[in-house]
Amino acid sequence: NAGVTQTPKFQVLKTGQSMTLQCAQDMNHNSMYWYRQDPGMGLRLIYYSASEGTTDKGEVPNGYNVSRLNKREFSLRLESAAPSQTSVYFCASSEVAEDQPQHFGDGTRLSIL
Amino acid sequence: RKEVEQDPGPFNVPEGATVAFNCTYSNSASQSFFWYRQDCRKEPKLLMSVYSSGNEDGRFTAQLNRASQYISLLIRDSKLSDSATYLCVVGTYKYIFGTGTRLKVLA
Repeated sequence: NAGVTQTPKFQVLKTGQSMTLQCAQDMNHNSMYWYRQDPGMGLRLIYYSASEGTTDKGEVPNGYNVSRLNKREFSLRLESAAPSQTSVYFCASSEVAEDQPQHFGDGTRLSIL
Repeated sequence: RKEVEQDPGPFNVPEGATVAFNCTYSNSASQSFFWYRQDCRKEPKLLMSVYSSGNEDGRFTAQLNRASQYISLLIRDSKLSDSATYLCVVGTYKYIFGTGTRLKVLA
């Protein structure tokens, strides 16, 4: 029962480096989401994809780009990492309907020096 | 006012106690409500959905008060394993997460 799989689990970057966080789900969900979680801030939505081929900005999209590669995969890219992007990143997926909860991957812990 | 507000706690309760958390929300048009549980440095996991008529799952009871715009979670007979942060989630298709209420159940 894989559910939502995120890679990598941990990463340390230097300021200015780029990287892509990968997310894949095997639940045939249409919607996928990227969040970041910082101490005392709760989960904040970065980008989401309601269906394959569509992406929309969330609450904190600056400094990030996303790609919905296919129904299963939704990647998050940091083009030029900044220390303010040090965080725990969670990917989630859900069906597109009311009362459908989101299912989360186990997170990527990203530190930017 | 934050869109979703929770008392951060911590709530320190002895084993066997009953504890309740509330969560207020600002968007009266919200249609979907959930409680998630998050253990330290882990991903949020769905605890239960919250329905208009209220619902129960074992020791956990969730209620929705649309008039006052809050949801609640009641935990009866608390166990050590209930120690975690409880996140309130509100929205319609796109969800807003509260910052969580931390619960510590003490032996």
